[in-house]
Amino acid sequence: EAQVTQNPRYLITVTGKKLTVTCSQNMNHEYMSWYRQDPGLGLRQIYYSMNVEVTDKGDVPEGYKVSRKEKRNFPLILESPSPNQTSLYFCASSPYGTSGSTNTGELFFGEGSRLTVL
Amino acid sequence: AQSVAQPEDQVNVAEGNPLTVKCTYSVSGNPYLFWYVQYPNRGLQFLLKYITGDNLVKGSYGFEAEFNKSQTSFHLKKPSALVSDSALYFCAVREAGSQGNLIFGKGTKLSVKP
Repeated sequence: EAQVTQNPRYLITVTGKKLTVTCSQNMNHEYMSWYRQDPGLGLRQIYYSMNVEVTDKGDVPEGYKVSRKEKRNFPLILESPSPNQTSLYFCASSPYGTSGSTNTGELFFGEGSRLTVL
Repeated sequence: AQSVAQPEDQVNVAEGNPLTVKCTYSVSGNPYLFWYVQYPNRGLQFLLKYITGDNLVKGSYGFEAEFNKSQTSFHLKKPSALVSDSALYFCAVREAGSQGNLIFGKGTKLSVKP
C-alpha cells in the first residue's frame, strides 16, 4: 500500500531533550516536506526537500533540522525542543521534483505526529 | 507571491442541504488548485484538483469544485451534505509550471448537523 509513515504518532517530552520524528514514504517520490498545524494558523511549512541531499527552509524553520540521505526518508530533528514547538506535525511527499516538471504537485500526507513539549 | 484565503473559519449546514466552502487564491500565472480534507486525528486526504480544462471538477465522496478565473475562486461544493462530511477542509494553490511549493489556506471547519 502506498503510504507516508510517521513515527512516533504521539510524544510528550521535556524542554531541551533532543528528539527525531521519522518520516518514510514507499512511493519513490522525489519531493518531501514537513508541516506543522496549529489552531487558527493552518498548515505552515517547516522544511522541504526536492531530492536526495537537497533541502530548503520553509516558512517556519527555526528550531528544526532535517536531512535527506535517502529518497524514502526525511526525518525532522528538534535539537532542543521548546514549548512553542508543541504542535501537530505532518510529513508529506509528492512525485513532483526536479525531474517532475509536468507533475501537478499533489501531496500525500502521513497521519501526523502530535508533539507536546513540557 | 502566492496566497490562499478561506474566508470562513466554520461552515454549518443541516444534513441533506447543499454545502459550499469558499476559497480564493492569488498567483502570478495559471493556478493548480487543490482541496484536501482532514478528519479528526488523521492526516490530510486529497479530494480533488483543478489543473486545466473544465471549470467544474468532480472529486471523491461526491464533492465538486468550480474554478472561476475572473473571481480567482475555487469553491468546494456538495449537493447534499452528510453528517460524515464534518471535517476540516483545506484549499491549496501552486502556480502552474513553477518549482514552488503548495500554499495552503488556514482551513474551514465544516459541521453538518442531523
